[in-house]
Amino acid sequence: NAGVTQTPKFRVLKTGQSMTLLCAQDMNHEYMYWYRQDPGMGLRLIHYSVGEGTTAKGEVPDGYNVSRLKKQNFLLGLESAAPSQTSVYFCASSRPGTSGRGTQYFGPGTRLTVL
Amino acid sequence: GESVGLHLPTLSVQEGDNSIINCAYSNSASDYFIWYKQESGKGPQFIIDIRSNMDKRQGQRVTVLLNKTVKHLSLQIAATQPGDSAVYFCAENVPRGGGSNYKLTFGKGTLLTVNP
Repeated sequence: NAGVTQTPKFRVLKTGQSMTLLCAQDMNHEYMYWYRQDPGMGLRLIHYSVGEGTTAKGEVPDGYNVSRLKKQNFLLGLESAAPSQTSVYFCASSRPGTSGRGTQYFGPGTRLTVL
Repeated sequence: GESVGLHLPTLSVQEGDNSIINCAYSNSASDYFIWYKQESGKGPQFIIDIRSNMDKRQGQRVTVLLNKTVKHLSLQIAATQPGDSAVYFCAENVPRGGGSNYKLTFGKGTLLTVNP
């Protein structure tokens, strides 16, 4: 049981390049999330998904797109990378439920630098 | 709007001492709280959680206390070890329609340093 995995671990892009970050979970969780973490800012939600085939915007969605074609995978895309997107990106997953069962489990992160 | 904050951004303790990390939340409707530990270069790791109908919950060497009157959450770590050095942050859930929660609000974190 690997939990939540992310690829790649590190990436350097030039401004304007595109890339896709892959998140996979083997816990059969319905919900998946993409966050970015910047110094002094805490975790900010980019996009999330409450089930296969569904996605929704979070707090900071601009410049990113996502897809959830399979329940276990959640992809984050940057169509035209900008230096402001330099950050550490975390994927998380959780199972649905009533109060007290929304714990999110995180992947190890992807450190992205945009030059 | 909602906010989750920490009283102390840094905390330095001696090995073997007990540590207390604090968190204030502003939304009285929050019904579920989680503490995460994040070591350098790693993803956040679940430590312990507590529902709003409880005021205390204990785990292995950790205890979470919830004071709803003053909207305050704390994490106590007993006999702190060098391996406990990390950033600790709290998260809160505000229940949304349908009875299913899926978004958490995270605090910025407190850096705990354990001196040998």
